[in-house]
Amino acid sequence: DGGITQSPKYLFRKEGQNVTLSCEQNLNHDAMYWYRQDPGQGLRLIYYSQIVNDFQKGDIAEGYSVSREKKESFPLTVTSAQKNPTAFYLCASSIGDTSYNSPLHFGNGTRLTVT
Amino acid sequence: RKEVEQDPGPFNVPEGATVAFNCTYSNSASQSFFWYRQDCRKEPKLLMSVYSSGNEDGRFTAQLNRASQYISLLIRDSKLSDSATYLCVVNMGAAGNKLTFGGGTRVLVKP
Repeated sequence: DGGITQSPKYLFRKEGQNVTLSCEQNLNHDAMYWYRQDPGQGLRLIYYSQIVNDFQKGDIAEGYSVSREKKESFPLTVTSAQKNPTAFYLCASSIGDTSYNSPLHFGNGTRLTVT
Repeated sequence: RKEVEQDPGPFNVPEGATVAFNCTYSNSASQSFFWYRQDCRKEPKLLMSVYSSGNEDGRFTAQLNRASQYISLLIRDSKLSDSATYLCVVNMGAAGNKLTFGGGTRVLVKP
């Protein structure tokens, strides 16, 4: 079955440590995205990539970094510069242009807790 | 003003009743619109795209009003399993096809 896999589901880190969240898709989608969701709030875009070896900052990119070396993979690193890293992180993909026939497909998320 | 705005609710709905709620967006150039459903502590899942002429999928009806810049979702014959948060998602027409999410409308269907 095609889909998006995020790992791990739960992640705990000490403040000051960098941490990398994995996102892999086998849908052959060109575009991939990272969102962050805080309790009771909507999703906010961190980074997105429309094609391999290219990515752009979203609305809240500070303190995060990404890479897109392979079409299937879009890992997100939460660095120690991110002031409030505890959140629910969602990876998504789309065929390309997010038109009516090309919505987002989400992974099941990684819940990061930093203490 | 937020780019995509929703009434957070909760909308408390008796089982079998009809509930409807709106989502307003700020950019008149917005091109595509979606409703997603999100259950507690889970990822959002696509409920339906919203087409210009309106569209229906079973008990769910979505409408687009470009003049007033809002979309709506109507749920008929509500089931207990419809309890969830409904996210409005808009392609604002910005470079990179970024989708902007509303904060969600929480619906609680009660027996």
